[in-house]
Amino acid sequence: KNEVEQSPQNLTAQEGEFITINCSYSVGISALHWLQQHPGGGIVSLFMLSSGKKKHGRLIATINIQEKHSSLHITASHPRDSAVYICAVSSGAQKLVFGQGTRLTINP
Amino acid sequence: EAEVAQSPRYKITEKSQAVAFWCDPISGHATLYWYRQILGQGPELLVQFQDESVVDDSQLPKDRFSAERLKGVDSTLKIQPAELGDSAMYLCASSLGLLLVLQFFGPGTRLTVL
Repeated sequence: KNEVEQSPQNLTAQEGEFITINCSYSVGISALHWLQQHPGGGIVSLFMLSSGKKKHGRLIATINIQEKHSSLHITASHPRDSAVYICAVSSGAQKLVFGQGTRLTINP
Repeated sequence: EAEVAQSPRYKITEKSQAVAFWCDPISGHATLYWYRQILGQGPELLVQFQDESVVDDSQLPKDRFSAERLKGVDSTLKIQPAELGDSAMYLCASSLGLLLVLQFFGPGTRLTVL
């Protein structure tokens, strides 16, 4: 069993829909990261959080430390949000352990 | 805006050949990471540097892979000899330090071994 599990693996939605991507982890962590990877391969860090909730524009990330679970939400989704979203956890000296990613496709 | 630079962006080689990838982190970032990402999977850490010292290379296949960061700035990852299973995206990232900081990723080098 992987240390970081994401669901769903693939998600297709219509423009404007509210999107939720889930991440569960099985190890103790110092922080959880959400990253975005576009088809060209470049990765952008979206959030790093260790408790509570963070918001940036239409993106919201939450974490429940007790349940070892995090969610990434996208409000008013847009085709440009189409990408792979990756959850990763860090512990100790910042080594990131990545989930397998969720491929999101937003259709116009 | 400061970025992590990587070259080449694409590399095609034949098995048993040697390949090398270069990474220039964001200026001032002491920590540098090399990741390997196989298609359809999340990245996997190969090696982590703090300045010029290796912090973690536990997942680096040391019989064929080597990495160096001689002056604590840019870094080179080498594979010799390349094998078919090495085909992947090789990503470099950097961060200001070790703890609770964002990592900034380069565009990656896509390696194809024929």
